[in-house]
Amino acid sequence: GAVVSQHPSWVICKSGTSVKIECRSLDFQATTMFWYRQFPKQSLMLMATSNEGSKATYEQGVEKDKFLINHASLTLSTLTVTSAHPEDSSFYICSVGTENSPLHFGNGTRLTVT
Amino acid sequence: GQNIDQPTEMTATEGAIVQINCTYQTSGFNGLFWYQQHAGEAPTFLSYNVLDGLEEKGRFSSFLSRSKGYSYLLLKELQMKDSASYLCAVLDSNYQLIWGAGTKLIIKP
Repeated sequence: GAVVSQHPSWVICKSGTSVKIECRSLDFQATTMFWYRQFPKQSLMLMATSNEGSKATYEQGVEKDKFLINHASLTLSTLTVTSAHPEDSSFYICSVGTENSPLHFGNGTRLTVT
Repeated sequence: GQNIDQPTEMTATEGAIVQINCTYQTSGFNGLFWYQQHAGEAPTFLSYNVLDGLEEKGRFSSFLSRSKGYSYLLLKELQMKDSASYLCAVLDSNYQLIWGAGTKLIIKP
């Protein structure tokens, strides 16, 4: 069965609005969750590492004020895309692992900003 | 810099065998992953190699040579559903995952 649950699977929003994506670890307590973004025909790009109870670690070039990450519990991390713009349209994927090794991915969220 | 190379695209015939190669140059090494990704879906974990040698799991096998910075994913008895992208990723010394660009595998009847 699924190890990671990601919701929603797809979302369409208007430019300027905010969108929240949830990632839940179903089978084990995850101290670390990873958020990726994938543009069409490109490889996965790590956006940030989410650590339970502390601030997320963002990769270079990722705006932390635009992509808000909250990892309030051992089973839930959320990514909020604030003031979304069409260029934020992408496939967002979370993954869960033990320590620093991500192994299981959520099903992804396809975001379309109009 | 860190680099992972794998072919962009490969074509194979249903029922045949295909080998997808991956070479890497990274800052340290803490394991190599292979993932399968169908179009529009999230990647699915296939294998993890940290020691040299061949790991077999059903129709899929993965091989690693740390001294050569080389791995391959071997797919046997190919099925149409195996048409997907196959991603190679290396965990470096800082436990960061370095991703290859993926190999698109096309299976023909």
